[in-house]
Amino acid sequence: EAGVAQSPRYKIIEKRQSVAFWCNPISGHATLYWYQQILGQGPKLLIQFQNNGVVDDSQLPKDRFSAERLKGVDSTLKIQPAKLEDSAVYLCASSSRLAGGQDNEQFFGPGTRLTVL
Amino acid sequence: GNSVTQMEGPVTLSEEAFLTINCTYTATGYPSLFWYVQYPGEGLQLLLKATKADDKGSNKGFEATYRKETTSFHLEKGSVQVSDSAVYFCALSNDYKLSFGAGTTVTVRA
Repeated sequence: EAGVAQSPRYKIIEKRQSVAFWCNPISGHATLYWYQQILGQGPKLLIQFQNNGVVDDSQLPKDRFSAERLKGVDSTLKIQPAKLEDSAVYLCASSSRLAGGQDNEQFFGPGTRLTVL
Repeated sequence: GNSVTQMEGPVTLSEEAFLTINCTYTATGYPSLFWYVQYPGEGLQLLLKATKADDKGSNKGFEATYRKETTSFHLEKGSVQVSDSAVYFCALSNDYKLSFGAGTTVTVRA
């Protein structure tokens, strides 16, 4: 079974530029998550989708971050404009379990390392 | 709210040494508890989990017991190998959210 795919693996941009990340979850997984992992910290949830609907985006900085999952499969996360503090690894994860379940096993992609200069 | 506190690293050990990484949590209700591992250049992988008090999760020689009375989920391995060098994250799941600790970097020397 293929895992969660993400691209690109690395991206370097200058501040105020825009950037987009792509995620393809495990086939059949209804729930998709985007996390931000700043160096030396644990991942922090940015947004959660169930199929193509948003379940939780309370931690997403909506003035500059946006995400979509139009057909309930692939997802894109965009930052526009980027700031220096956005330098981090952006992780995508997927789960077959519906929101509300306690046993929330998530499968993670390799991440995209973003450097903002 | 939910939070996870784990032992700060980095931790450096010799092969066959005993490893313990402490993890304590704060949560309402009855969360599930997890240990994730991140090997160099790879994504996060689930190492083990426990879904209720007194459950013991185990995998690849690692063990952790869900202790509700001490709100802890310490990770242990009796004899580490060089291949265990990685970053280890303790996490809890309450409702649908995963909350992670800051991670502990473990380096095992031959």
